Amino acid sequence: QLHLQESGPGLVKPSETLSLTCSVSGDSMTSNLYYWDWIRQSPGKGLEWIASIHYGGSTYYNPSLKSRVTISMDTSKNQFSLKVSSVSAADTAVYYCARRTDYGDYEVFDFWGQGTLLTVSS
Amino acid sequence: QSVLTQPPSVSGAPGQTVTISCTGSSSNIGTGYDVHWYQQIPGTAPKLLIHGNTVRPSGVPDRFSGSKSGTSASLAIAGLQAEDEADYYCQSYDNRLHGFVFGSGTKVTVL
Repeated sequence: QLHLQESGPGLVKPSETLSLTCSVSGDSMTSNLYYWDWIRQSPGKGLEWIASIHYGGSTYYNPSLKSRVTISMDTSKNQFSLKVSSVSAADTAVYYCARRTDYGDYEVFDFWGQGTLLTVSS
Repeated sequence: QSVLTQPPSVSGAPGQTVTISCTGSSSNIGTGYDVHWYQQIPGTAPKLLIHGNTVRPSGVPDRFSGSKSGTSASLAIAGLQAEDEADYYCQSYDNRLHGFVFGSGTKVTVL
């Protein structure tokens, strides 16, 4: 059974860069059918898709966050990561990593990690 | 302000049927993108409930059903049970925003 586990600092100061890692177990990250995504949830904005990566190297970003976000993958460690620069209080949220599966006609987030709370505060 | 609009809350007595709407536009649901539904019990991660508008993943009771028409989609929960109390979110793709979008979420309360 697939398991995704987020890890992160919990607290970041404004203007700093936050780094999150998602560890994947129970399945390979190298299937063509899978994309690996970050999604966040804050009280003010609900669920917001952040970024996605495919093992082939393709990356996709939410245009509203693209200038501050970088997603990367290390298949040797079965992990993928997210960096968000110049954080502010608006980046305070629960950050989820998720697997997105290509069903042909559509893609869907079918497995999610438990989420990690990130607070931006001085 | 979410791209997909849902009612903030719906409620029903045990055994009743409740329906949650998800209203989009011509740049997402209306242009043909499929709708997916997630159930989120407070304090836990969203769980996939319906994909491809109507498909239930293995393990999801057939009390849950989805539909789509025009620029909207709906999730129906029949035979409401106490364990169905949760937040429900719809999700699709938006070609104007160039990304995946979620609904504002609906809290289901079992009276």
